[in-house]
Parts: sequence; C-alpha cells; structure tokens
Amino acid sequence: NAGVTQTPKFRILKIGQSMTLQCTQDMNHNYMYWYRQDPGMGLKLIYYSVGAGITDKGEVPNGYNVSRSTTEDFPLRLELAAPSQTSVYFCASRQGVAKNIQYFGAGTRLSVL
Amino acid sequence: GESVGLHLPTLSVQEGDNSIINCAYSNSASDYFIWYKQESGKGPQFIIDIRSNMDKRQGQRVTVLLNKTVKHLSLQIAATQPGDSAVYFCAENNSGNQGGKLIFGQGTELSVKP
Repeated sequence: NAGVTQTPKFRILKIGQSMTLQCTQDMNHNYMYWYRQDPGMGLKLIYYSVGAGITDKGEVPNGYNVSRSTTEDFPLRLELAAPSQTSVYFCASRQGVAKNIQYFGAGTRLSVL
Repeated sequence: GESVGLHLPTLSVQEGDNSIINCAYSNSASDYFIWYKQESGKGPQFIIDIRSNMDKRQGQRVTVLLNKTVKHLSLQIAATQPGDSAVYFCAENNSGNQGGKLIFGQGTELSVKP
C-alpha cells in the first residue's frame, strides 16, 4: 500500500550542484504535482502533469525542470542549485476530474549551502 | 541572506474541547475545497472536502462549514485529542482550471494540551 513515494528524504547540496528528486506512485493516477513548502508557509505549485508526456508550469517553476515519461514517475530536476531552493518538496497525485483530492508523499527536505 | 519564515497562526486547545480552524479563500470562482492535516515531518493528509453547492459536510469528528458570501471556510474538530496536533491547511480549486490545481492557505497550527 505504497501510494506516493519520494526519494531521497533528505539531501544537502552545494551551490551550483544539480540533482533529481524522485517521485513514483502506484495508484495509476493521471495527474501528478510538485510543490515546495517554505517554513511557516503553505504549499506552492512548481510543476504539474496531466498524464504521461504532458507537463506544465505552476506558480514557481524557475530553476526546476520535470519530465513524465511514464504514468508512475514524475521526477523533479534542479540544474544549478541556489540557496533560495532550500525547502521541503512534496510530490502529489490524483486520479481524475471528479474530485481533486491530491495524495501526498512524505517529502524531500533539501538544503542548499 | 537567509529568508525568515512567517509565524503560523496558532490555536491552542485543551484535550476534549472542540476546535474551530478558520480559513479565508481568495477566489470567488472556487467551487471545491479541501482540508488537509500535516503532522511534523510528514506530507499533507486529506481530512475532508466540500463542494460549493453545500454549506456543511460532516465526517468522523470533523465538520466543514462553507460560507460563500464571505468566502470563508471552517473546520470543526469535536473532542480534540493530542493526536490532532498538527498544521491544518485549507485548499481551494476552481474546477474550470486546467490540471486541477489547488491553491493552499498558509495553515494554522493546532496544539492540544493534555
């Protein structure tokens, strides 16, 4: 009963390094989302996908890239890490259009130093 | 320099009391609303939802009230327990928007005193 799985749970990057945050879901959901959560704040949408091969920008996409080659996986790529990208990143998925209940992973805590 | 996080609104209640968490939403076109609970170190967890054609919806120990006139949403938790301690977020959605994007509020931290 895995749901949405994110790896790694924690990561420290140096400025300018790159990394990929992994997200996979086993619920056969079409829609997937990436959010960031800064201390004391709500979640802000980075990118989303409505199905394999289709992605679109959210509210704060700068500095990030995504791909969606399969229904299950939705990786988030940071190319040149900056201190402003220090945050907790959450991946979520939802099944379809009837209800917009998004199911979240446990998050990746990223520090850029 | 390092950014400083905002202090979340905090609600402190005694165990066994009822809790009411409030949320003002921004978009009058929003027609679907969700409450999430986020425990420390975990992802948000769905609690209850409500569509804009309803004023009230009840779940197990939780009730959501919607007042579209003033764009206000509330979550009532009956007989609050220590396990209810968490940050609670409301989220709104306009079903006409592409991709089913949710807009999240800042959150309220609920602290339950034993």
